[in-house]
Amino acid sequence: GESVGLHLPTLSVQEGDNSIINCAYSNSASDYFIWYKQESGKGPQFIIDIRSNMDKRQGQRVTVLLNKTVKHLSLQIAATQPGDSAVYFCADPYGANSKLTFGKGITLSVRP
Amino acid sequence: SQTIHQWPATLVQPVGSPLSLECTVEGTSNPNLYWYRQAAGRGLQLLFYSVGIGQISSEVPQNLSASRPQDRQFILSSKKLLLSDSGFYLCAWSGGVRGVSYNEQFFGPGTRLTVL
Repeated sequence: GESVGLHLPTLSVQEGDNSIINCAYSNSASDYFIWYKQESGKGPQFIIDIRSNMDKRQGQRVTVLLNKTVKHLSLQIAATQPGDSAVYFCADPYGANSKLTFGKGITLSVRP
Repeated sequence: SQTIHQWPATLVQPVGSPLSLECTVEGTSNPNLYWYRQAAGRGLQLLFYSVGIGQISSEVPQNLSASRPQDRQFILSSKKLLLSDSGFYLCAWSGGVRGVSYNEQFFGPGTRLTVL
């Protein structure tokens, strides 16, 4: 991964609404992407991943969409809860030893 | 199951003092190991990674070094800390477990280092 970045630094949503977090990447050869969630003072936790042969992958309340044409992926969180408040990173492994390129992160804030 | 430990959780050190942060993983064999640093409000920067005992690759020139004396032990060190070494240090592992891809990294709880 040459550059994996996030469009916006912060996102504020109402509890119960859906959240959409976007990410752009520059390396067209990237074939695998991961979303991580990092709560304050903790290490990042794996949320969901997607391979380049897929356009969409669903998990529990989360969906990742991949648009290879415009090199864009998004993380959708359904019915956002206060516990979803965290910094979210997209990352793609690169190189022979699966090093990860992380974006700066986007902070999701959930309003009660 | 696999677990990853880091210690200490927090550390305050004076400029010029040495540093040793330790990371150990359990439940995996021959994992890849990684050290990251995260500045406040920023993303993660990969510092070092290791694919085996004694094998260390440095990603960025810096005041730090890493060692892997045992398969599941990864140490981050410095002889003389700088103010700019302050940050949140994260250790991660990948692979070494059946059914787990080397692409997926699992992070430890981190060490908050403040250099004064």
